[in-house]
Amino acid sequence: GNSVTQMEGPVTLSEEAFLTINCTYTATGYPSLFWYVQYPGEGLQLLLKATKADDKGSNKGFEATYRKETTSFHLEKGSVQVSDSAVYFCALSDTGFQKLVFGTGTRLLVSP
Amino acid sequence: NAGVTQTPKFRILKIGQSMTLQCTQDMNHNYMYWYRQDPGMGLKLIYYSVGAGITDKGEVPNGYNVSRSTTEDFPLRLELAAPSQTSVYFCASTETGTSKETQYFGPGTRLLVL
Repeated sequence: GNSVTQMEGPVTLSEEAFLTINCTYTATGYPSLFWYVQYPGEGLQLLLKATKADDKGSNKGFEATYRKETTSFHLEKGSVQVSDSAVYFCALSDTGFQKLVFGTGTRLLVSP
Repeated sequence: NAGVTQTPKFRILKIGQSMTLQCTQDMNHNYMYWYRQDPGMGLKLIYYSVGAGITDKGEVPNGYNVSRSTTEDFPLRLELAAPSQTSVYFCASTETGTSKETQYFGPGTRLLVL
């Protein structure tokens, strides 16, 4: 079946550091890939997405590229801020009807 | 637009009690979903609905029931609460349910079963 694997957290960084959160997936078809973010005490919200191979999703300085050859969708940001502290979820939805499959989430802690 | 709203925000139940978690969306979305989020885990799909009157099981449906009498509302029912149902519950919706769409999530209901 479909699955998503994320790097374990927490990831602890100082402000302005470079961020990478690894995500790899297993899917039978050609899935769409998503990064959702959960700020403390809130529900999830879409950060970015990519719907086909080699697409790059970007938002708020975050980027991720859909790599079919390595089945990966790693999240990157060049310079993190304290306000980026949150839990980040990688997810996929296979072709057809949307049923999201989530990774376990990676907590990011950014200190001033 | 309020988006997706959920009530209550927090509830404590005793084992064997029942309750309904409410979910309402004002975006006229056809597709709605219920997830549970256990500590350190990703979200697991409980039930989903493709429109009023149509529901189907997700990955972890045991112990839950749903109904969809209107486009806006998608309540989740726990009939006999068990400690294993202690979790945070999220409702979500999408407009057409295609694989590329964004899901819009509510703020969640935290449930503690003692």
